[in-house]
Amino acid sequence: DSGVTQTPKHLITATGQRVTLRCSPRSGDLSVYWYQQSLDQGLQFLIQYYNGEERAKGNILERFSAQQFPDLHSELNLSSLELGDSALYFCASSVRPSNQPQHFGDGTRLSIL
Amino acid sequence: EDQVTQSPEALRLQEGESSSLNCSYTVSGLRGLFWYRQDPGKGPEFLFTLYSAGEEKEKERLKATLTKKESFLHITAPKPEDSATYLCAVSNNTDKLIFGTGTRLQVFP
Repeated sequence: DSGVTQTPKHLITATGQRVTLRCSPRSGDLSVYWYQQSLDQGLQFLIQYYNGEERAKGNILERFSAQQFPDLHSELNLSSLELGDSALYFCASSVRPSNQPQHFGDGTRLSIL
Repeated sequence: EDQVTQSPEALRLQEGESSSLNCSYTVSGLRGLFWYRQDPGKGPEFLFTLYSAGEEKEKERLKATLTKKESFLHITAPKPEDSATYLCAVSNNTDKLIFGTGTRLQVFP
């Protein structure tokens, strides 16, 4: 058990809808990262937060947004969903933002019908 | 562009048959190289961090090594429970991790 909690485990929705994925980092970790993993691609970095502030952005679509709250949990919001957004979404956390091992949750599997 | 390439894509081993997985990388300013293990339906599990060429880390049947261009994950006398996808990632000067697509390892009894 990595200590990173993601909910829900599975999400099934339709095109055009909006969903929110939630992540609670390991106790003591201040940095949170979001990744997307689809069948034909590896883990793709989306966005990073550190102590409530956005720190780095990857290839995150404009339809996607995230935030980190004062209690350090994070939410990833996906809107105007398309079939191609079906994937596993992972959250990871680390103590500090730089060059630290990241510890991953077990992901949310998003299926768009 | 920073890039990580892992080989082979898939590897089938008999129990006890030692082998190595390769991770070659191109990165501007390597700050660290990370190995993870991922089981089906689970998130990646952290194994090792290597920071400089020549560094080695060991854990049970696994040993990771690092050179200036690549890293190896050596698996000695593997067991069926070592079956998983092994992921390599590098961190550059932007803090984010760049992952390879992994090596799927199957160990048969």
